[in-house]
Amino acid sequence: NAGVTQTPKFRVLKTGQSMTLLCAQDMNHEYMYWYRQDPGMGLRLIHYSVGEGTTAKGEVPDGYNVSRLKKQNFLLGLESAAPSQTSVYFCASSYSVRGGANVLTFGAGSRLTVL
Amino acid sequence: GESVGLHLPTLSVQEGDNSIINCAYSNSASDYFIWYKQESGKGPQFIIDIRSNMDKRQGQRVTVLLNKTVKHLSLQIAATQPGDSAVYFCAEKDRAGGSYIPTFGRGTSLIVHP
Repeated sequence: NAGVTQTPKFRVLKTGQSMTLLCAQDMNHEYMYWYRQDPGMGLRLIHYSVGEGTTAKGEVPDGYNVSRLKKQNFLLGLESAAPSQTSVYFCASSYSVRGGANVLTFGAGSRLTVL
Repeated sequence: GESVGLHLPTLSVQEGDNSIINCAYSNSASDYFIWYKQESGKGPQFIIDIRSNMDKRQGQRVTVLLNKTVKHLSLQIAATQPGDSAVYFCAEKDRAGGSYIPTFGRGTSLIVHP
Protein backbone atom coordinates (compact mmCIF):
# COMPACT_ATOMS: atom_id res chain seq x y z
CA ASN A 1 0.00 0.00 0.00
CA ALA A 2 1.15 3.53 -0.77
CA GLY A 3 -0.49 4.98 2.36
CA VAL A 4 -0.92 8.76 2.07
CA THR A 5 0.44 10.42 -1.06
CA GLN A 6 0.78 14.16 -1.49
CA THR A 7 1.38 16.05 -4.72
CA PRO A 8 3.26 18.15 -5.51
CA LYS A 9 6.21 17.75 -3.15
CA PHE A 10 7.57 21.20 -3.87
CA ARG A 11 6.05 24.35 -5.34
CA VAL A 12 7.04 27.99 -5.65
CA LEU A 13 4.29 30.54 -6.15
CA LYS A 14 4.10 34.27 -6.59
CA THR A 15 1.88 36.32 -4.30
CA GLY A 16 -1.69 36.23 -5.56
CA GLN A 17 -1.39 32.99 -7.52
CA SER A 18 -3.65 30.06 -6.78
CA MET A 19 -2.87 26.39 -6.44
CA THR A 20 -4.22 23.09 -5.18
CA LEU A 21 -2.48 20.46 -3.11
CA LEU A 22 -3.73 16.93 -3.63
CA CYS A 23 -3.83 14.23 -0.99
CA ALA A 24 -4.72 10.64 -1.76
CA GLN A 25 -5.01 7.70 0.62
CA ASP A 26 -5.54 4.04 -0.21
CA MET A 27 -6.37 2.74 3.29
CA ASN A 28 -10.12 3.37 3.08
CA HIS A 29 -9.81 5.83 5.96
CA GLU A 30 -12.86 7.83 6.83
CA TYR A 31 -11.09 10.88 8.21
CA MET A 32 -8.61 13.16 6.51
CA TYR A 33 -6.71 16.25 7.65
CA TRP A 34 -4.52 19.06 6.41
CA TYR A 35 -1.83 20.49 8.72
CA ARG A 36 0.80 23.11 8.23
CA GLN A 37 4.17 23.02 9.94
CA ASP A 38 6.24 26.12 10.54
CA PRO A 39 9.58 26.33 12.40
CA GLY A 40 9.05 26.03 16.14
CA MET A 41 5.25 25.96 15.76
CA GLY A 42 4.55 22.27 15.62
CA LEU A 43 1.60 21.02 13.58
CA ARG A 44 -1.43 23.25 13.19
CA LEU A 45 -4.68 21.93 11.80
CA ILE A 46 -6.04 23.83 8.79
CA HIS A 47 -9.14 21.84 7.80
CA TYR A 48 -10.35 18.32 8.22
CA SER A 49 -13.00 15.98 6.90
CA VAL A 50 -14.97 13.30 8.72
CA GLY A 51 -16.30 11.75 5.55
CA GLU A 52 -16.90 12.12 1.85
CA GLY A 53 -18.64 15.38 1.07
CA THR A 54 -18.01 16.94 4.50
CA THR A 55 -15.34 19.37 5.68
CA ALA A 56 -14.71 21.41 8.80
CA LYS A 57 -12.42 24.22 9.89
CA GLY A 58 -9.43 23.62 12.08
CA GLU A 59 -7.21 25.97 14.03
CA VAL A 60 -5.89 28.07 11.09
CA PRO A 61 -8.40 27.88 8.21
CA ASP A 62 -8.17 31.44 6.84
CA GLY A 63 -6.89 31.68 3.27
CA TYR A 64 -7.53 28.00 2.53
CA ASN A 65 -10.38 25.98 1.10
CA VAL A 66 -10.81 22.21 0.93
CA SER A 67 -12.94 19.66 -0.84
CA ARG A 68 -13.59 15.96 -0.29
CA LEU A 69 -15.52 14.83 -3.35
CA LYS A 70 -14.18 11.28 -3.13
CA LYS A 71 -13.42 9.32 0.02
CA GLN A 72 -9.81 8.73 -0.96
CA ASN A 73 -8.96 12.33 -1.91
CA PHE A 74 -8.71 15.54 0.08
CA LEU A 75 -7.77 18.73 -1.75
CA LEU A 76 -6.33 21.87 -0.18
CA GLY A 77 -6.69 25.07 -2.20
CA LEU A 78 -5.06 28.46 -1.92
CA GLU A 79 -7.09 31.00 -3.88
CA SER A 80 -4.66 33.91 -3.55
CA ALA A 81 -1.33 32.87 -2.08
CA ALA A 82 0.41 35.11 0.46
CA PRO A 83 3.99 34.94 1.79
CA SER A 84 2.54 33.98 5.20
CA GLN A 85 1.41 30.73 3.62
CA THR A 86 4.99 29.66 3.00
CA SER A 87 5.14 26.42 4.95
CA VAL A 88 5.33 22.65 4.81
CA TYR A 89 1.89 21.11 4.43
CA PHE A 90 1.06 17.64 5.67
CA CYS A 91 -1.96 15.58 4.85
CA ALA A 92 -3.03 12.81 7.19
CA SER A 93 -5.78 10.25 7.44
CA SER A 94 -7.23 8.01 10.12
CA TYR A 95 -9.63 5.12 10.33
CA SER A 96 -11.66 6.07 13.33
CA VAL A 97 -12.02 9.26 15.28
CA ARG A 98 -14.14 8.03 18.17
CA GLY A 99 -12.57 4.71 18.96
CA GLY A 100 -9.10 4.31 20.32
CA ALA A 101 -6.29 6.79 19.99
CA ASN A 102 -7.22 8.03 16.52
CA VAL A 103 -3.73 7.40 15.18
CA LEU A 104 -2.96 9.47 12.10
CA THR A 105 -1.03 8.31 9.06
CA PHE A 106 0.83 11.20 7.47
CA GLY A 107 2.04 11.91 3.98
CA ALA A 108 5.61 12.99 3.25
CA GLY A 109 4.71 16.67 3.04
CA SER A 110 4.50 19.41 0.42
CA ARG A 111 6.86 22.36 0.70
CA LEU A 112 5.29 25.56 -0.54
CA THR A 113 7.15 28.84 -0.97
CA VAL A 114 5.27 32.05 -1.76
CA LEU A 115 7.40 34.89 -3.07
CA GLY B 1 17.54 22.69 27.33
CA GLU B 2 14.47 24.63 26.28
CA SER B 3 14.53 27.52 23.86
CA VAL B 4 11.90 30.09 22.96
CA GLY B 5 10.77 31.64 19.73
CA LEU B 6 11.35 29.69 16.54
CA HIS B 7 13.58 27.08 18.11
CA LEU B 8 12.35 23.74 19.34
CA PRO B 9 13.37 22.38 22.72
CA THR B 10 16.39 20.20 22.07
CA LEU B 11 17.75 17.14 23.83
CA SER B 12 21.29 16.01 23.00
CA VAL B 13 22.45 12.57 24.07
CA GLN B 14 25.27 10.16 23.39
CA GLU B 15 24.63 6.96 21.49
CA GLY B 16 23.78 4.20 23.92
CA ASP B 17 22.38 6.50 26.59
CA ASN B 18 18.73 6.50 27.59
CA SER B 19 16.66 9.49 26.44
CA ILE B 20 13.68 11.03 28.18
CA ILE B 21 11.46 13.41 26.26
CA ASN B 22 8.87 15.31 28.26
CA CYS B 23 5.50 16.74 27.38
CA ALA B 24 3.04 18.76 29.45
CA TYR B 25 -0.63 18.73 28.58
CA SER B 26 -3.51 20.87 29.74
CA ASN B 27 -6.72 19.05 28.86
CA SER B 28 -8.04 16.80 31.61
CA ALA B 29 -10.64 15.43 29.20
CA SER B 30 -8.06 13.80 26.92
CA ASP B 31 -8.52 10.04 26.82
CA TYR B 32 -5.51 9.08 24.72
CA PHE B 33 -1.99 10.41 24.40
CA ILE B 34 0.10 9.60 21.36
CA TRP B 35 3.76 9.99 20.48
CA TYR B 36 4.96 10.62 16.95
CA LYS B 37 8.47 10.68 15.49
CA GLN B 38 9.34 12.97 12.60
CA GLU B 39 12.60 12.39 10.78
CA SER B 40 14.08 15.15 8.67
CA GLY B 41 12.17 15.64 5.42
CA LYS B 42 9.44 13.17 6.33
CA GLY B 43 5.98 13.20 7.81
CA PRO B 44 5.37 12.25 11.45
CA GLN B 45 5.09 8.54 12.21
CA PHE B 46 3.23 6.90 15.06
CA ILE B 47 5.41 5.44 17.81
CA ILE B 48 3.19 4.52 20.72
CA ASP B 49 0.04 5.60 22.51
CA ILE B 50 -1.30 5.35 26.04
CA ARG B 51 -4.84 5.48 27.32
CA SER B 52 -5.63 7.89 30.12
CA ASN B 53 -6.51 5.08 32.55
CA MET B 54 -2.96 3.73 32.35
CA ASP B 55 0.26 4.97 33.99
CA LYS B 56 2.78 3.15 31.86
CA ARG B 57 3.03 1.41 28.53
CA GLN B 58 6.03 -0.28 27.00
CA GLY B 59 6.94 -0.87 23.39
CA GLN B 60 10.10 -1.89 21.64
CA ARG B 61 12.86 0.21 23.32
CA VAL B 62 10.28 2.84 24.25
CA THR B 63 8.25 3.43 27.38
CA VAL B 64 5.51 5.98 27.92
CA LEU B 65 4.80 7.27 31.41
CA LEU B 66 1.66 9.24 32.20
CA ASN B 67 1.25 11.32 35.34
CA LYS B 68 -2.28 12.66 35.39
CA THR B 69 -1.80 14.44 38.71
CA VAL B 70 0.62 16.94 37.17
CA LYS B 71 -0.57 16.47 33.58
CA HIS B 72 2.77 15.22 32.38
CA LEU B 73 3.74 12.68 29.77
CA SER B 74 7.17 11.29 28.99
CA LEU B 75 8.71 9.11 26.32
CA GLN B 76 11.73 7.09 27.35
CA ILE B 77 13.97 5.63 24.66
CA ALA B 78 16.41 2.96 25.81
CA ALA B 79 19.90 2.64 24.32
CA THR B 80 19.41 5.59 22.00
CA GLN B 81 20.73 5.11 18.48
CA PRO B 82 21.67 7.63 15.76
CA GLY B 83 18.52 6.57 13.90
CA ASP B 84 16.48 7.93 16.80
CA SER B 85 17.54 11.48 15.89
CA ALA B 86 14.29 13.23 15.00
CA VAL B 87 11.64 15.60 16.28
CA TYR B 88 9.22 13.95 18.70
CA PHE B 89 5.67 15.19 19.13
CA CYS B 90 3.17 14.33 21.78
CA ALA B 91 -0.51 14.59 20.88
CA GLU B 92 -3.64 14.32 22.97
CA LYS B 93 -7.10 13.27 21.90
CA ASP B 94 -10.03 14.90 23.63
CA ARG B 95 -12.94 12.58 24.35
CA ALA B 96 -15.31 15.38 25.32
CA GLY B 97 -17.10 18.03 23.35
CA GLY B 98 -17.64 15.96 20.21
CA SER B 99 -14.20 16.71 18.80
CA TYR B 100 -11.85 13.76 18.57
CA ILE B 101 -9.14 15.50 16.61
CA PRO B 102 -5.72 15.18 18.23
CA THR B 103 -3.90 18.32 19.34
CA PHE B 104 -0.15 18.35 18.82
CA GLY B 105 2.53 19.85 21.03
CA ARG B 106 5.42 21.92 19.63
CA GLY B 107 7.81 18.99 19.53
CA THR B 108 11.26 18.23 20.94
CA SER B 109 14.31 17.73 18.79
CA LEU B 110 16.42 14.73 19.80
CA ILE B 111 20.04 14.75 18.63
CA VAL B 112 22.04 11.57 19.11
CA HIS B 113 25.80 11.91 18.96
CA PRO B 114 27.81 8.84 17.86
